[in-house]
Amino acid sequence: KAGVTQTPRYLIKTRGQQVTLSCSPISGHRSVSWYQQTPGQGLQFLFEYFSETQRNKGNFPGRFSGRQFSNSRSEMNVSTLELGDSALYLCASSLETGSGTQYFGPGTRLTVL
Amino acid sequence: QQQVKQSPQSLIVQKGGISIINCAYENTAFDYFPWYQQFPGKGPALLIAIRPDVSEKKEGRFTISFNKSAKQFSLHIMDSQPGDSATYFCAASVASSGDKIIFGKGTRLHILP
Repeated sequence: KAGVTQTPRYLIKTRGQQVTLSCSPISGHRSVSWYQQTPGQGLQFLFEYFSETQRNKGNFPGRFSGRQFSNSRSEMNVSTLELGDSALYLCASSLETGSGTQYFGPGTRLTVL
Repeated sequence: QQQVKQSPQSLIVQKGGISIINCAYENTAFDYFPWYQQFPGKGPALLIAIRPDVSEKKEGRFTISFNKSAKQFSLHIMDSQPGDSATYFCAASVASSGDKIIFGKGTRLHILP
């Protein structure tokens, strides 16, 4: 089975712009979660989607949003980018929500200039 | 509020030695405690996990020890090898709350050849 794929792998944006990141979960997986990884804050949970519904949300401003499609693919959007949004954004999928076993993709490295 | 505290931040161990990473949690609702391993340029990968109804779980050279009363758990890597050099994250979640994982800050492990 193919693993979790994320596109693009690298992205450079300027302050004020918006960005959309994409995640394709492992085939058959219905839950997709997003995390932000930075050297200072570590890995922080952004949100989780299951069956096209947001099930959990972390402590991030409303500029961060996401959605999930009927094929379980997910996108996250960050509007009005700030320098502090520079990070590795990781997507993880699991068979069912709350199953415990999550598989992470390689991440999208976002740099905001 | 950091809910999972991990130590040490970095660790250097001789090849063949035992690597020990410790974590402590605050939220007694946590009922799933995974450890993730991350290599540079890759997403975290699930290494081993434990639920609070057992005090120890072993998989190959990796062992989790769990102390529910002290709200602490640790990862032991026996016969550490240079290929084990990576960043390790302890984590915790509440299964009934879905796939939201709270991560520790990580430990950079370096195994000397």
